Amino acid sequence: EAGVTQFPSHSVIEKGQTVTLRCDPISGHDNLYWYRRVMGKEIKFLLHFVKESKQDESGMPNNRFLAERTGGTYSTLKVQPAELEDSGVYFCASSQVGSPLHFGNGTRLTVT
Amino acid sequence: AQSVTQLDSHVSVSEGTPVLLRCNYSSSYSPSLFWYVQHPNKGLQLLLKYTSAATLVKGINGFEAEFKKSETSFHLTKPSAHMSDAAEYFCVVSALNAGNMLTFGGGTRLMVKP
Repeated sequence: EAGVTQFPSHSVIEKGQTVTLRCDPISGHDNLYWYRRVMGKEIKFLLHFVKESKQDESGMPNNRFLAERTGGTYSTLKVQPAELEDSGVYFCASSQVGSPLHFGNGTRLTVT
Repeated sequence: AQSVTQLDSHVSVSEGTPVLLRCNYSSSYSPSLFWYVQHPNKGLQLLLKYTSAATLVKGINGFEAEFKKSETSFHLTKPSAHMSDAAEYFCVVSALNAGNMLTFGGGTRLMVKP
């Protein structure tokens, strides 16, 4: 079984640019989550999809962040425009109902 | 509200000696508790989970954790450290009244000396 796949593994962009992160969950997992770890801080929840619907987006920091999951398969997280404080590692996870989360390797985003 | 405190940001042990990573949690509802591990350049891997069954939970790679409600603790232990155990470990809590959202501790980086 393929695990959760995230792309790219690393991204370096300048302040003001746009970046799109992609997550491919484990096949058949309806739940998809985005988490983020900013340097020196805890891993924090961003949002939760159930299939294509946003179940909880209370962790999204501001309207520069847009997450989508068209068709209930892969998800994208777009940051536009990126700011310095957006640097960190973005994790995606997926799960079946009632099961623990399976995490991807993360995307390390550096905004310069 | 729920929160997790990992009492040590760094722990260093010698190979073959016991490992203890400490975790205290706060939850207003019956929590589920997890330990995840992250090796360098890898994703977060589930080590073990507690979901209101047996209070002593056995995980992968010889790790185990004991849920102590009276002490609100969920410490992770291993009798004998191996070099491959060097990684960062996260204690995590979730609860039904928080929509099963995971709340992470700050992480403990375990170093294993030869």
